[in-house]
Amino acid sequence: AQKVTQAQTEISVVEKEDVTLDCVYETRDTTYYLFWYKQPPSGELVFLIRRNSFDEQNEISGRYSWNFQKSTSSFNFTITASQVVDSAVYFCALSEAGSWGKLQFGAGTQVVVTP
Amino acid sequence: EAEVAQSPRYKITEKSQAVAFWCDPISGHATLYWYRQILGQGPELLVQFQDESVVDDSQLPKDRFSAERLKGVDSTLKIQPAELGDSAMYLCASSALGGLGVGELFFGEGSRLTVL
Repeated sequence: AQKVTQAQTEISVVEKEDVTLDCVYETRDTTYYLFWYKQPPSGELVFLIRRNSFDEQNEISGRYSWNFQKSTSSFNFTITASQVVDSAVYFCALSEAGSWGKLQFGAGTQVVVTP
Repeated sequence: EAEVAQSPRYKITEKSQAVAFWCDPISGHATLYWYRQILGQGPELLVQFQDESVVDDSQLPKDRFSAERLKGVDSTLKIQPAELGDSAMYLCASSALGGLGVGELFFGEGSRLTVL
């Protein structure tokens, strides 16, 4: 069963627009971690954020912000004032208790930012 | 900045042939992972090492895939014989925290395999 769902396959925006990426997860564990990774065309996955299940505070890092809501099992990611360099595939991932190193990734959302 | 090194970047092979991928993690990282990423999908864990020991290989197709990390440093992932469905990107990652720790994973650029 798919544990991480990223329903948006591709999002296209014009530079300076905001873009929000949705992530819905499924787990029976009370302790777990959620992640967002960025995969630019070069291929390597770049870590963006880690959030544990007990910390529902939203986080902002520069133009990036994350909204974690346990009530809806969602961990959404917003890029504010998008730039061409933000063009990449973004993955949401889940790590559950007992298998911390095993990241279960969603299918990814391709973000295309045009000038 | 330290990086995870992988080779080769690209590999084209015919089915039934053997293929091997190499990974050198960031120095000092005890935990090493091999993930497979099929085009259009998210990565899937194949095998996780803690030092030289396998922690999780539940998703590794053991009839044709093997992985080793003999001295707890670099690692090799082998496929023999390769099948058409093995065409994918093979990503290596390492992290500083092992065991029950949850560390940030550092990924290499991957090895893209095409099986003809």
